[in-house]
Amino acid sequence: GEDVEQSLFLSVREGDSSVINCTYTDSSSTYLYWYKQEPGAGLQLLTYIFSNMDMKQDQRLTVLLNKKDKHLSLRIADTQTGDSAIYFCAEIYETGGFKTIFGAGTRLFVKA
Amino acid sequence: GAVVSQHPSWVICKSGTSVKIECRSLDFQATTMFWYRQFPKQSLMLMATSNEGSKATYEQGVEKDKFLINHASLTLSTLTVTSAHPEDSSFYICSATGQGRPGELFFGEGSRLTVL
Repeated sequence: GEDVEQSLFLSVREGDSSVINCTYTDSSSTYLYWYKQEPGAGLQLLTYIFSNMDMKQDQRLTVLLNKKDKHLSLRIADTQTGDSAIYFCAEIYETGGFKTIFGAGTRLFVKA
Repeated sequence: GAVVSQHPSWVICKSGTSVKIECRSLDFQATTMFWYRQFPKQSLMLMATSNEGSKATYEQGVEKDKFLINHASLTLSTLTVTSAHPEDSSFYICSATGQGRPGELFFGEGSRLTVL
């Protein structure tokens, strides 16, 4: 079945870049989303990429998509302590309606 | 726009009682709402999908008599944990679709349930 995998934990120093990786199995996905969850809160859409794109940049965020390897990454430049959160990769594909498959989430810890 | 609100954000109850959690889309009509459960330091576990006016579709392993879901209007879905026990203590999150990009989900703030 469909599956999305992420590493579970990443620790970086403030000011460094963070790269969070995600792999997925379903090649028919239409969108790939990154959601951010701060402690004790719901998830918020951080950024997204269409499946026909290779890269998307949005201020400090860069999303890279390698469709051949079914690999997605999120790079956060100049990581700040406020970026500490859980980041979920989500694959969206159509099956009658839209179905979302979430990864397990990567916990990013930023050291001051 | 596209705000989803959950209430209450935190509830503590005694074992054996029932607890209702509300999920509202404040500024759009939610065609579909989802309920998740999240254990500490774990991912979201989809519990059920609900469409307005129809019965919820529960994921495998989720007891529908235990977790009652009602989606009476396009802006409100409720999750009732019946006869709650300490093992039901968890963080419950709802999300809704209805606008935005295909498949985009708008999440509530979450509700933390503690059963004593």
